[in-house]
Amino acid sequence: DGGITQSPKYLFRKEGQNVTLSCEQNLNHDAMYWYRQDPGQGLRLIYYSQIVNDFQKGDIAEGYSVSREKKESFPLTVTSAQKNPTAFYLCASSADPQRGYTFGSGTRLTVV
Amino acid sequence: GENVEQHPSTLSVQEGDSAVIKCTYSDSASNYFPWYKQELGKRPQLIIDIRSNVGEKKDQRIAVTLNKTAKHFSLHITETQPEDSAVYFCSTRGPGATNKLIFGTGTLLAVQP
Repeated sequence: DGGITQSPKYLFRKEGQNVTLSCEQNLNHDAMYWYRQDPGQGLRLIYYSQIVNDFQKGDIAEGYSVSREKKESFPLTVTSAQKNPTAFYLCASSADPQRGYTFGSGTRLTVV
Repeated sequence: GENVEQHPSTLSVQEGDSAVIKCTYSDSASNYFPWYKQELGKRPQLIIDIRSNVGEKKDQRIAVTLNKTAKHFSLHITETQPEDSAVYFCSTRGPGATNKLIFGTGTLLAVQP
């Protein structure tokens, strides 16, 4: 599946709940990213990590948290502080700044 | 911070016609410009990229041009086919030593048979 796997494909969250989106890659890429996609707004960066045990906030980090304990894994937690979490979430990885990203197939999160 | 503007937001062409999507960027230090195609409900896929030491790059029916002086780059698709229908995103590498990409807002291309 392109070497980067996101799960689940669909996720439903109740008000006040935290949920965690999984992203795993077997490409041996150092850098990993989380983007949020909303209609008409393109891809907005939530968090990124260039190396294990280190990560940086992106443009819209409020209400989200991440960890990078292993090179292969970069899970994203959507907390109850995120007031409008319904969106399509894309994880990506990169080995080289000059080679672009490989994207996962995405998780569609809906608040019910 | 770095900003990428993309136009048009929607584009409808007849099969066989050409399509052009344009992007402008703000950071003159940007040196890498990939384009992604995203079909409905699927992941974005890299279709072509260009580096700042090159003015144009072609791959079959797809070409990208870069004007560093004006800080804009464009995607050209010739002899469009229905399977070219998708959302296309331009992007550029952000400033500093990171390799994060900054994306445009996307262009929905519809190729009418």
